Amino acid sequence: NAGVTQTPKFQVLKTGQSMTLQCAQDMNHEYMSWYRQDPGMGLRLIHYSVGAGITDQGEVPNGYNVSRSTTEDFPLRLLSAAPSQTSVYFCASSYSLTSDTQYFGPGTRLTVL
Amino acid sequence: EDQVTQSPEALRLQEGESSSLNCSYTVSGLRGLFWYRQDPGKGPEFLFTLYSAGEEKEKERLKATLTKKESFLHITAPKPEDSATYLCAVQASNDYKLSFGAGTTVTVRA
Repeated sequence: NAGVTQTPKFQVLKTGQSMTLQCAQDMNHEYMSWYRQDPGMGLRLIHYSVGAGITDQGEVPNGYNVSRSTTEDFPLRLLSAAPSQTSVYFCASSYSLTSDTQYFGPGTRLTVL
Repeated sequence: EDQVTQSPEALRLQEGESSSLNCSYTVSGLRGLFWYRQDPGKGPEFLFTLYSAGEEKEKERLKATLTKKESFLHITAPKPEDSATYLCAVQASNDYKLSFGAGTTVTVRA
């Protein structure tokens, strides 16, 4: 199993550009989520999904969109990048919403100029 | 709103020098408290889940304990490979989302 994979590993954008961060898992997990990690702050939940076709907002959803068309994939779209979105983004998955163990991907470091 | 505060922010230890990390939390009904380890440039890796006050869990040189207001992660006789950032998170009983602390970065010198 590859676990949770994320692409790209690094990305630089200009203000106003859009892009999609990719996340995939091969563990047949129902629950997937996106977090951002900023210096001095804890991981903050952006969006999450409890299954294909079902998504919901987390703590900091503004400026981000998600969709879940398959169990395996959960892409995160930045609609119009802003410098405040400079961060490290982590995707995570678990068997279900109530599972104790979340598996995290390696992260995408995004810089918005 | 759930709050998680970790202290200290950074901890430098000599190999073999035992110490403890603190995670203080406020939550409206605790379902679980989680500890993760994060190496530089990598995603967090799950270590422990604690559910009720008085519970303890161990893994190699790490031992996690839980009270009604805080959790401790004890590192006994640490080795350089224990160097990492340790994250604490809580999950409320009425909301399955995790609230994370900012982490404690541990550096163990040989």
